[in-house]
Amino acid sequence: QKEVEQNSGPLSVPEGAIASLNCTYSDRVSQSFFWYRQYSGKSPELIMSIYSNGDKEDGRFTAQLNKASQYVSLLIRDSQPSDSATYLCAVLDSGAGSYQLTFGKGTKLSVIP
Amino acid sequence: ETGVTQTPRHLVMGMTNKKSLKCEQHLGHNAMYWYKQSAKKPLELMFVYSLEERVENNSVPSRFSPECPNSSHLFLHLHTLQPEDSALYLCASSQRNYGYTFGSGTRLTVV
Repeated sequence: QKEVEQNSGPLSVPEGAIASLNCTYSDRVSQSFFWYRQYSGKSPELIMSIYSNGDKEDGRFTAQLNKASQYVSLLIRDSQPSDSATYLCAVLDSGAGSYQLTFGKGTKLSVIP
Repeated sequence: ETGVTQTPRHLVMGMTNKKSLKCEQHLGHNAMYWYKQSAKKPLELMFVYSLEERVENNSVPSRFSPECPNSSHLFLHLHTLQPEDSALYLCASSQRNYGYTFGSGTRLTVV
């Protein structure tokens, strides 16, 4: 059973601070990793994907991947109240010809004005 | 508006009813999915259709029945549901390993 673990939070950070969200996964052969943002009552929205070890930056978001440690993280710089949401980590299983995502339970982030 | 459209947005049904959820994707993706999201649980994969072929998920009760008539449309037929089936049902589509695009979801309440 493939597993994706996240701290459920809530994680509270002041406006303007860096929010750090963490995720570990159990399947050592996983190659593709995603972060989704889900506002209350809405569906998940893809915000970052990462496939190689290291950092990937997109605006205020940076995804970090360490395959040896089976660890992926998301940093949000200059956090804004509009970033308050649940962040879902997802890992792709590309076996058997289909592309199935396994999701963590999500970390709820609250940015305090 | 996303490229994946789900209807209805909200559905209340009795345990003896039969209803269907509809999903349509306008992105040219080659795989479609049904997920269930319940409170305090991770998203649960129910069914996958890849190139219109279903990948079975044996943990899903038979009261849920998927249908994928073509690569753009996906249905979830519901019958004799239980109150614990109340949840947000999400449709998604993808193209290979580029991540999913989700629809807005159907909030289902079984009474």
